[in-house]
Amino acid sequence: RKEVEQDPGPFNVPEGATVAFNCTYSNSASQSFFWYRQDCRKEPKLLMSVYSSGNEDGRFTAQLNRASQYISLLIRDSKLSDSATYLCVVNRGSTLGRLYFGRGTQLTVWP
Amino acid sequence: NAGVTQTPKFQVLKTGQSMTLQCAQDMNHEYMSWYRQDPGMGLRLIHYSVGAGITDQGEVPNGYNVSRSTTEDFPLRLLSAAPSQTSVYFCASRDQSNTDTQYFGPGTRLTVL
Repeated sequence: RKEVEQDPGPFNVPEGATVAFNCTYSNSASQSFFWYRQDCRKEPKLLMSVYSSGNEDGRFTAQLNRASQYISLLIRDSKLSDSATYLCVVNRGSTLGRLYFGRGTQLTVWP
Repeated sequence: NAGVTQTPKFQVLKTGQSMTLQCAQDMNHEYMSWYRQDPGMGLRLIHYSVGAGITDQGEVPNGYNVSRSTTEDFPLRLLSAAPSQTSVYFCASRDQSNTDTQYFGPGTRLTVL
């Protein structure tokens, strides 16, 4: 079983739509969680960390469910500029722990 | 503050050739990594380093060597290029403070013929 699994999509949504991505992780000892964004032919960049209590950054909301070992990302009021691939990332252990990347979920927002 | 820089941006090699991908960071991070990204495979860890003089293997280390003589530089060496090494290579530098953010370089697109 892969460390981190994501639905690859693609998700095609109109501007203004709400879209949600899920990600599951296999190791229950995983300690920290992130969403990265990767634009076409560019490097990944941190979108947001995911905290146990859930957290919000503008139109983006991240949730963590430790019992079910899944992480979600909700994007409200989608913009054309949200079109990208979203990578779920899990740190299994301490600050020296390896980061495990999901394969990414592709989102296209159309006008 | 340039962040993470990689050279070259593009490279074409013939099978059997060797080359070094350069990576440098100016954020004084101890932890650096090399990944390769292939379509449908996601990012796979090749090698990583937790500080100068310390390196370790990741998920797909075969055919690659690394060294870390300084905090700033983390070059990746392809020993004898093979077509299977055609990929996009990303170097990353990790901020191990409470943010634990990984900063990626712009990538090197390598084609091996």
